[in-house]
Amino acid sequence: AQTVTQSQPEMSVQEAETVTLSCTYDTSENNYYLFWYKQPPSRQMILVIRQEAYKQQNATENRFSVNFQKAAKSFSLKISDSQLGDTAMYFCAFMRTFQGGSEKLVFGKGMKLTVNP
Amino acid sequence: KAGVTQTPRYLIKTRGQQVTLSCSPISGHRSVSWYQQTPGQGLQFLFEYFSETQRNKGNFPGRFSGRQFSNSRSEMNVSTLELGDSALYLCASSLYTGNTEAFFGQGTRLTVV
Repeated sequence: AQTVTQSQPEMSVQEAETVTLSCTYDTSENNYYLFWYKQPPSRQMILVIRQEAYKQQNATENRFSVNFQKAAKSFSLKISDSQLGDTAMYFCAFMRTFQGGSEKLVFGKGMKLTVNP
Repeated sequence: KAGVTQTPRYLIKTRGQQVTLSCSPISGHRSVSWYQQTPGQGLQFLFEYFSETQRNKGNFPGRFSGRQFSNSRSEMNVSTLELGDSALYLCASSLYTGNTEAFFGQGTRLTVV
C-alpha cells in the first residue's frame, strides 16, 4: 500500500517570502503521479501542481514549483513570493496509474500554511 | 463552465438515520469519486463511479454506498448513521476514469448527533 507523509503540521511565512513544504511517500510502483492540493477555508480542494513520476524535470506552475527526488521518494513544494491568498491547508497526494485507468488519490495528513502580512 | 456542485452544503442527522448526498460533476465529466475528510483520519477514498459503474471502492463498511446516473450525477448514501460518520464529504469529477486531473466540489459537511 502507498503512504504519503507530511511531517510538518503547520508553517507560517511572511508575505513575499519563499516557503517550502515537504512530503515523502512510499511505494513500490513505477507508474504514478504526485500532486499538491490546496484547501482554503472554502473547503474546496484545488489542484496546485502535479508531477508524473517518469518525468525527470520538475513541474512548475507560476509561483509554485516542486523538487521531485524519485530515489529518495521526496516531493516538496516551493511557493515563491507568498501571497495572503496562499493561506490554506496543503495536501500532498499520490495516485498509481496503469494503462487505461488509475487508482484513488492517497493523501497525506495535510499542512496548515499561514501567510502573514 | 460550472464546477462540481455538491448538495446540500451542510447536514445534521441523528444517529441511526440515513442520509443521501448529491454530486453533479463538471459538464462532460463522466468519472465521480467520493472522499471522506475527518480530523483524525484525514482524507480517505470511498468509491469511484464511471459510466454508472463502480470502478473502485475504498475500505468502508457496507453502510456506505453510492450510485451514478446516466447524466453522470452521483449520489452517496450512508445508512444507520454513527457519530463517527461526521465528516466533510468531498466529491471529485474527472473526464474519465484514469484521468489524473480531478476537480473537487466544496463538500457536504455532515454532522451526526
